[in-house]
Amino acid sequence: KAGVTQTPRYLIKTRGQQVTLSCSPISGHRSVSWYQQTPGQGLQFLFEYFSETQRNKGNFPGRFSGRQFSNSRSEMNVSTLELGDSALYLCASSSDRGFFAGELFFGEGSRLTVL
Amino acid sequence: AQSVTQLGSHVSVSEGALVLLRCNYSSSVPPYLFWYVQYPNQGLQLLLKYTTGATLVKGINGFEAEFKKSETSFHLTKPSAHMSDAAEYFCAVSIPGGAQKLVFGQGTRLTINP
Repeated sequence: KAGVTQTPRYLIKTRGQQVTLSCSPISGHRSVSWYQQTPGQGLQFLFEYFSETQRNKGNFPGRFSGRQFSNSRSEMNVSTLELGDSALYLCASSSDRGFFAGELFFGEGSRLTVL
Repeated sequence: AQSVTQLGSHVSVSEGALVLLRCNYSSSVPPYLFWYVQYPNQGLQLLLKYTTGATLVKGINGFEAEFKKSETSFHLTKPSAHMSDAAEYFCAVSIPGGAQKLVFGQGTRLTINP
């Protein structure tokens, strides 16, 4: 069974640009979550999607947005990039029942550098 | 709101020695508790979890953790460290039936000395 796939793995942007990251969950998983990982703030929850609907959202500004498609694939977008947005963005998927057992399956992440 | 505190951002042990990584949580209701491991340039992998039942839980790679409600702790242990255990370890908490998200501790980087 293929794991969670995130693209691109690495990218470099400049301040003010926008970026779109993609995540393909494990086949059959309908919940997709996004986390931001930085050395200073650690792992922080961005948002969670299920069946194309955002169910939960973390404390991030509106520049951070996401969506989920009918095949459960998800994208997240960051507009008007700031230096502080440099981070590893992790996507995780789970079957809806699986979440309550803590079984989040993570991708390898997309490392964003903002110059 | 729930929170997780991991004591010690860096822990160093000798190969073959006991590994002890500390985690304390704060939660208004009995939480679910987890340990994840992250190897360099990789995502997170679930080591073990506590939901209900037996308070001593065993995970992969010889790790185990004990849920102690009175101490609000969920420390991770391994009797004998191996070089391949070098990684970053994250303790996390979620609320059963609550928002589907994990709240993570700041992580503990484990170094194994030969």
